[in-house]
Amino acid sequence: EAEVAQSPRYKITEKSQAVAFWCDPISGHATLYWYRQILGQGPELLVQFQDESVVDDSQLPKDRFSAERLKGVDSTLKIQPAELGDSAMYLCASSLVTTYEQYFGPGTRLTVT
Amino acid sequence: DAKTTQPNSMESNEEEPVHLPCNHSTISGTDYIHWYRQLPSQGPEYVIHGLTSNVNNRMASLAIAEDRKSSTLILHRATLRDAAVYYCILRRAQGAQKLVFGQGTRLTINP
Repeated sequence: EAEVAQSPRYKITEKSQAVAFWCDPISGHATLYWYRQILGQGPELLVQFQDESVVDDSQLPKDRFSAERLKGVDSTLKIQPAELGDSAMYLCASSLVTTYEQYFGPGTRLTVT
Repeated sequence: DAKTTQPNSMESNEEEPVHLPCNHSTISGTDYIHWYRQLPSQGPEYVIHGLTSNVNNRMASLAIAEDRKSSTLILHRATLRDAAVYYCILRRAQGAQKLVFGQGTRLTINP
């Protein structure tokens, strides 16, 4: 069964450093999402792509976060500089345009020290 | 986005049915009811969704009240692997496809 791939699975970084996460969606899925999940809470959408275009980035802290999906396939989420409050699980999900079901990857656990 | 209300936690025994409630009194006519669950240390996974009629799939059943202001996710025979956080989410038929997660219900299964 096809899965969403994410790397790294775990990342520890010092505050003020740059960090990047990578996501490879299920083949053929045009829509890609990045969520952030703080411990004990539900995931919160950061950014949504339709192919290579950003559809929704209203909750993305644009002063330090950036996301790209240059060829409309895999995607990178970057934080520069990282802050202590960025410690969280970063989840990537993908879906076919015409279905409601989102498929989530295993996530990247970020710890900022 | 219309809001859902779920109990913070529930507990059940292995091999017994589990009924997870969700209230959504402000649901609109075009909102679908979705359920996702998140097993420990994993990303969420889709469980089931419906609009007005009850729905069944291999994982669970979804019972929707006639006035659509509440719904119940039914696990017919819980296993230890069903221990997870279950999220009830309303999603509009048109427009943005994003999922707005609440706190969910943490389900504990006792052996």
